[in-house]
Amino acid sequence: SQTIHQWPATLVQPVGSPLSLECTVEGTSNPNLYWYRQAAGRGLQLLFYSVGIGQISSEVPQNLSASRPQDRQFILSSKKLLLSDSGFYLCASGQGDTGELFFGEGSRLTVL
Amino acid sequence: SQQGEEDPQALSIQEGENATMNCSYKTSINNLQWYRQNSGRGLVHLILIRSNEREKHSGRLRVTLDTSKKSSSLLITASRAADTASYFCATDAGIGYALNFGKGTSLLVTP
Repeated sequence: SQTIHQWPATLVQPVGSPLSLECTVEGTSNPNLYWYRQAAGRGLQLLFYSVGIGQISSEVPQNLSASRPQDRQFILSSKKLLLSDSGFYLCASGQGDTGELFFGEGSRLTVL
Repeated sequence: SQQGEEDPQALSIQEGENATMNCSYKTSINNLQWYRQNSGRGLVHLILIRSNEREKHSGRLRVTLDTSKKSSSLLITASRAADTASYFCATDAGIGYALNFGKGTSLLVTP
């Protein structure tokens, strides 16, 4: 099975500051990678997905961007955070054929 | 977009009782999955049922799927306090093998 590492686990950032969340995957190669956001008491919102290095698809127009510089590395970024960017960010990996996704432990972002 | 919707939103039971959660979805699916999330943690895959299956078991979990009603249920038998978590159903988002998740059912099992 796959192991997903996410960091940092928690961070508090002021409005207007930049953001970088990192995700790395172990135990597989050429995975499909995903960033989800979970607001309090709500389901998961798909933000970005990637099927290969340098290939990023965005599902929600927003203040965030994603990059995949290496096969098993996925980065979520922002140049200037908004209050509405607060939430619990989850990185996930999948192989497509099984449909099962493996999740990291999440990064909780609070924008003040 | 979210496709699966779980019901109830919250469920409180005592240890030893069974817990049943339901999921409804809107469009055709290849499979439906259930995930568990402990508070403040990532999601963990529990079970996957394919569209041509009607029932599937895994330990104390039983999942049913009714494609004609576009619904699924997750039954946890003989619940334990450690089963306390949120449970989500997930369906194919139709893009990049991503999944759509519902808002989840929050299950509390008291000793």
